[in-house]
Amino acid sequence: GNSVTQMEGPVTLSEEAFLTINCTYTATGYPSLFWYVQYPGEGLQLLLKATKADDKGSNKGFEATYRKETTSFHLEKGSVQVSDSAVYFCALSTSGTYKYIFGTGTRLKVLA
Amino acid sequence: GAGVSQSPSNKVTEKGKDVELRCDPISGHTALYWYRQSLGQGLEFLIYFQGNSAPDKSGLPSDRFSAERTGGSVSTLTIQRTQQEDSAVYLCASSVNWETQYFGPGTRLLVL
Repeated sequence: GNSVTQMEGPVTLSEEAFLTINCTYTATGYPSLFWYVQYPGEGLQLLLKATKADDKGSNKGFEATYRKETTSFHLEKGSVQVSDSAVYFCALSTSGTYKYIFGTGTRLKVLA
Repeated sequence: GAGVSQSPSNKVTEKGKDVELRCDPISGHTALYWYRQSLGQGLEFLIYFQGNSAPDKSGLPSDRFSAERTGGSVSTLTIQRTQQEDSAVYLCASSVNWETQYFGPGTRLLVL
């Protein structure tokens, strides 16, 4: 079945450090891929998405590239801020289905 | 409002009581989803509505859980005879198509 695997957290970084959160997936067909962010005490917010191979999603300085050959969708940011501290979820959906398959989430803590 | 809204934001109940959780989707979104976010369990899909119909209820954890949607809009998730293991954050999402889901802030349920 379909699945998403995220790197274990928590990830602790200093402000302005480079961030990578790994995400790999297993899916039949051609999934759409998403990164959602959950700030403390809030719901999930769509951060970025990519719907086909080699697409790059980007938002708020975050980027992720849909790599079909490695079945990956790693999240990157060149310079993190304290305000980026949150839990990040990788997810997929496939055409004809309706539910997201989520990774377990990765908690990011950025220190000033 | 512009986003998905949920009520109540927090609910504390005693074991054995029934609870109702409400979701107001984004206007015009025909699809509505319920997820549960538990400590150590990540995000799990519960049920999906297309219009007022629920094509797949297979994610509901037991027959104590039920959900309905009326007028193609508001949805209610009901948990009967609550148990301590039902304590979680219940998230609602809506979408226009099978791709991007927009999430509400969630209802945090605590069963004592």
